[in-house]
Amino acid sequence: EAEVAQSPRYKITEKSQAVAFWCDPISGHATLYWYRQILGQGPELLVQFQDESVVDDSQLPKDRFSAERLKGVDSTLKIQPAELGDSAMYLCASTSGLPGDNSPLHFGNGTRLTVT
Amino acid sequence: KQEVTQIPAALSVPEGENLVLNCSFTDSAIYNLQWFRQDPGKGLTSLLLIQSSQREQTSGRLNASLDKSSGRSTLYIAASQPGDSATYLCAPAINKFYFGSGTKLNVKP
Repeated sequence: EAEVAQSPRYKITEKSQAVAFWCDPISGHATLYWYRQILGQGPELLVQFQDESVVDDSQLPKDRFSAERLKGVDSTLKIQPAELGDSAMYLCASTSGLPGDNSPLHFGNGTRLTVT
Repeated sequence: KQEVTQIPAALSVPEGENLVLNCSFTDSAIYNLQWFRQDPGKGLTSLLLIQSSQREQTSGRLNASLDKSSGRSTLYIAASQPGDSATYLCAPAINKFYFGSGTKLNVKP
Protein backbone atom coordinates (compact mmCIF):
# COMPACT_ATOMS: atom_id res chain seq x y z
CA GLU A 1 0.00 0.00 0.00
CA ALA A 2 1.29 3.45 -0.90
CA GLU A 3 2.53 5.53 2.00
CA VAL A 4 3.30 9.10 2.91
CA ALA A 5 7.06 9.33 3.46
CA GLN A 6 8.58 11.66 6.05
CA SER A 7 12.13 12.31 7.15
CA PRO A 8 13.85 12.46 9.49
CA ARG A 9 11.98 10.33 12.04
CA TYR A 10 13.65 12.08 14.94
CA LYS A 11 15.40 15.42 15.24
CA ILE A 12 17.12 16.97 18.23
CA THR A 13 18.19 20.57 17.89
CA GLU A 14 19.23 23.42 20.11
CA LYS A 15 17.03 26.46 20.45
CA SER A 16 17.74 29.24 17.96
CA GLN A 17 18.93 26.71 15.38
CA ALA A 18 17.20 26.03 12.06
CA VAL A 19 15.47 22.73 11.37
CA ALA A 20 13.72 21.30 8.31
CA PHE A 21 11.32 18.42 7.71
CA TRP A 22 10.56 16.71 4.42
CA CYS A 23 7.42 14.99 3.19
CA ASP A 24 6.62 13.00 0.05
CA PRO A 25 2.86 12.38 -0.27
CA ILE A 26 1.19 9.43 -1.92
CA SER A 27 1.66 9.66 -5.67
CA GLY A 28 -1.11 11.64 -7.32
CA HIS A 29 -2.36 13.26 -4.14
CA ALA A 30 -2.92 16.91 -4.87
CA THR A 31 -3.66 18.01 -1.31
CA LEU A 32 -0.91 18.00 1.31
CA TYR A 33 -1.17 18.98 4.97
CA TRP A 34 1.36 19.68 7.70
CA TYR A 35 0.13 19.15 11.26
CA ARG A 36 1.72 19.64 14.67
CA GLN A 37 0.77 17.28 17.46
CA ILE A 38 1.62 17.88 21.09
CA LEU A 39 1.64 14.81 23.32
CA GLY A 40 -1.86 13.96 24.50
CA GLN A 41 -3.59 16.22 21.99
CA GLY A 42 -4.96 15.87 18.50
CA PRO A 43 -3.10 17.16 15.44
CA GLU A 44 -3.43 20.87 14.69
CA LEU A 45 -3.23 22.11 11.12
CA LEU A 46 -0.24 24.29 10.27
CA VAL A 47 -0.57 24.55 6.50
CA GLN A 48 -2.57 23.07 3.64
CA PHE A 49 -1.39 22.90 0.02
CA GLN A 50 -3.45 22.28 -3.08
CA ASP A 51 -0.84 21.32 -5.68
CA GLU A 52 1.83 23.99 -5.20
CA SER A 53 -0.49 26.64 -3.78
CA VAL A 54 -1.09 27.40 -0.11
CA VAL A 55 -4.79 27.03 0.70
CA ASP A 56 -4.66 27.63 4.45
CA ASP A 57 -1.74 28.80 6.57
CA SER A 58 -3.76 30.74 9.11
CA GLN A 59 -2.28 28.79 12.05
CA LEU A 60 1.31 28.82 10.81
CA PRO A 61 3.58 31.03 12.97
CA LYS A 62 4.98 32.87 9.99
CA ASP A 63 7.64 34.73 11.92
CA ARG A 64 9.56 31.48 12.32
CA PHE A 65 7.84 28.78 10.22
CA SER A 66 7.83 28.44 6.45
CA ALA A 67 6.54 25.75 4.11
CA GLU A 68 6.90 25.13 0.43
CA ARG A 69 5.77 22.66 -2.18
CA LEU A 70 7.53 24.01 -5.23
CA LYS A 71 6.58 21.43 -7.86
CA GLY A 72 3.34 20.34 -6.27
CA VAL A 73 4.78 17.02 -5.15
CA ASP A 74 7.04 16.83 -2.09
CA SER A 75 7.11 19.50 0.58
CA THR A 76 9.45 21.00 3.16
CA LEU A 77 8.55 22.60 6.47
CA LYS A 78 11.19 24.80 8.09
CA ILE A 79 11.54 26.37 11.52
CA GLN A 80 14.04 29.17 12.09
CA PRO A 81 14.85 29.84 14.86
CA ALA A 82 13.56 26.86 16.84
CA GLU A 83 12.14 27.50 20.30
CA LEU A 84 11.64 25.14 23.23
CA GLY A 85 7.88 25.25 22.69
CA ASP A 86 8.28 23.82 19.20
CA SER A 87 9.03 20.38 20.62
CA ALA A 88 6.29 18.18 19.18
CA MET A 89 5.46 15.60 16.52
CA TYR A 90 5.23 17.07 13.03
CA LEU A 91 2.94 15.07 10.80
CA CYS A 92 2.42 15.22 7.06
CA ALA A 93 -0.77 13.96 5.46
CA SER A 94 -2.21 13.82 1.96
CA THR A 95 -5.48 13.21 0.14
CA SER A 96 -6.40 12.87 -3.50
CA GLY A 97 -8.95 15.69 -3.20
CA LEU A 98 -10.49 18.17 -0.81
CA PRO A 99 -12.48 17.28 2.35
CA GLY A 100 -15.73 17.57 0.42
CA ASP A 101 -14.57 14.89 -2.02
CA ASN A 102 -14.76 12.24 0.73
CA SER A 103 -11.22 11.08 0.03
CA PRO A 104 -9.49 9.62 3.10
CA LEU A 105 -6.65 11.41 4.81
CA HIS A 106 -3.40 9.43 4.88
CA PHE A 107 -0.61 10.23 7.35
CA GLY A 108 3.11 9.65 7.42
CA ASN A 109 4.87 8.44 10.57
CA GLY A 110 5.91 11.94 11.52
CA THR A 111 9.06 13.67 12.72
CA ARG A 112 9.54 13.86 16.48
CA LEU A 113 11.28 17.20 17.20
CA THR A 114 13.02 17.89 20.49
CA VAL A 115 14.38 21.38 21.07
CA THR A 116 16.95 21.68 23.89
CA LYS B 1 -14.61 26.99 14.74
CA GLN B 2 -15.37 23.27 14.98
CA GLU B 3 -14.88 21.89 18.50
CA VAL B 4 -14.39 18.14 18.79
CA THR B 5 -14.73 16.24 22.06
CA GLN B 6 -13.91 12.60 22.65
CA ILE B 7 -15.15 10.74 25.67
CA PRO B 8 -13.75 8.93 27.55
CA ALA B 9 -10.19 10.26 27.44
CA ALA B 10 -8.90 6.85 28.52
CA LEU B 11 -10.38 3.39 28.78
CA SER B 12 -9.04 0.12 30.12
CA VAL B 13 -10.94 -3.10 29.45
CA PRO B 14 -10.30 -6.84 29.61
CA GLU B 15 -9.82 -8.70 26.37
CA GLY B 16 -13.02 -9.79 24.64
CA GLU B 17 -15.21 -6.89 25.70
CA ASN B 18 -17.28 -4.92 23.23
CA LEU B 19 -16.75 -1.20 23.62
CA VAL B 20 -17.93 2.16 22.36
CA LEU B 21 -15.89 5.29 21.82
CA ASN B 22 -17.69 8.60 21.51
CA CYS B 23 -17.02 11.68 19.42
CA SER B 24 -19.05 14.88 19.47
CA PHE B 25 -18.66 17.99 17.33
CA THR B 26 -20.25 21.42 17.43
CA ASP B 27 -20.73 22.21 13.72
CA SER B 28 -22.98 19.66 12.02
CA ALA B 29 -22.29 20.95 8.46
CA ILE B 30 -19.69 18.29 7.84
CA TYR B 31 -18.86 16.44 4.62
CA ASN B 32 -17.66 13.34 6.40
CA LEU B 33 -16.03 12.02 9.56
CA GLN B 34 -12.96 9.85 9.73
CA TRP B 35 -11.81 7.60 12.56
CA PHE B 36 -8.10 7.02 13.06
CA ARG B 37 -5.89 4.85 15.19
CA GLN B 38 -2.53 6.09 16.51
CA ASP B 39 0.10 3.86 18.05
CA PRO B 40 2.70 5.47 20.36
CA GLY B 41 5.27 7.50 18.44
CA LYS B 42 3.61 6.80 15.11
CA GLY B 43 1.39 8.60 12.65
CA LEU B 44 -2.35 8.18 12.34
CA THR B 45 -3.84 5.22 10.48
CA SER B 46 -7.22 5.66 8.84
CA LEU B 47 -9.80 3.14 10.05
CA LEU B 48 -13.11 4.28 8.61
CA LEU B 49 -14.51 7.23 6.70
CA ILE B 50 -18.23 7.80 7.01
CA GLN B 51 -19.85 10.24 4.62
CA SER B 52 -22.44 12.75 5.79
CA SER B 53 -25.16 10.89 3.85
CA GLN B 54 -24.35 7.62 5.59
CA ARG B 55 -25.50 6.38 8.98
CA GLU B 56 -22.98 3.57 9.44
CA GLN B 57 -19.76 2.18 8.06
CA THR B 58 -18.22 -1.17 8.91
CA SER B 59 -14.76 -2.68 8.62
CA GLY B 60 -14.15 -6.05 10.24
CA ARG B 61 -14.75 -5.71 14.00
CA LEU B 62 -15.19 -1.95 13.72
CA ASN B 63 -18.45 -0.16 13.16
CA ALA B 64 -18.79 3.62 13.01
CA SER B 65 -22.09 5.42 13.19
CA LEU B 66 -22.86 9.05 12.46
CA ASP B 67 -25.72 11.24 13.66
CA LYS B 68 -24.88 14.42 11.84
CA SER B 69 -27.83 16.45 13.12
CA SER B 70 -26.90 15.85 16.75
CA GLY B 71 -23.17 16.20 16.14
CA ARG B 72 -22.22 12.72 17.29
CA SER B 73 -20.32 9.70 16.07
CA THR B 74 -19.51 6.44 17.79
CA LEU B 75 -16.91 3.81 17.07
CA TYR B 76 -17.92 0.34 18.16
CA ILE B 77 -15.17 -2.26 18.60
CA ALA B 78 -16.36 -5.83 18.91
CA ALA B 79 -14.49 -8.54 20.82
CA SER B 80 -11.55 -6.29 21.74
CA GLN B 81 -8.01 -7.69 21.58
CA PRO B 82 -4.72 -6.53 23.14
CA GLY B 83 -3.62 -5.47 19.65
CA ASP B 84 -6.42 -2.91 19.65
CA SER B 85 -4.57 -0.94 22.33
CA ALA B 86 -3.89 2.50 20.86
CA THR B 87 -5.29 6.02 20.81
CA TYR B 88 -8.38 6.49 18.67
CA LEU B 89 -9.11 9.89 17.16
CA CYS B 90 -12.07 11.21 15.22
CA ALA B 91 -11.90 13.97 12.62
CA PRO B 92 -15.02 15.62 11.20
CA ALA B 93 -14.34 17.46 7.96
CA ILE B 94 -15.77 20.78 6.83
CA ASN B 95 -13.34 22.98 4.92
CA LYS B 96 -10.58 21.08 6.70
CA PHE B 97 -10.20 18.20 9.15
CA TYR B 98 -10.70 18.93 12.84
CA PHE B 99 -9.31 16.50 15.40
CA GLY B 100 -10.33 15.53 18.88
CA SER B 101 -7.74 14.69 21.55
CA GLY B 102 -8.54 11.01 21.28
CA THR B 103 -9.45 8.11 23.52
CA LYS B 104 -6.52 6.08 24.80
CA LEU B 105 -7.57 2.44 24.84
CA ASN B 106 -5.82 -0.30 26.79
CA VAL B 107 -7.04 -3.86 26.27
CA LYS B 108 -5.70 -6.18 28.96
CA PRO B 109 -4.93 -9.82 28.15
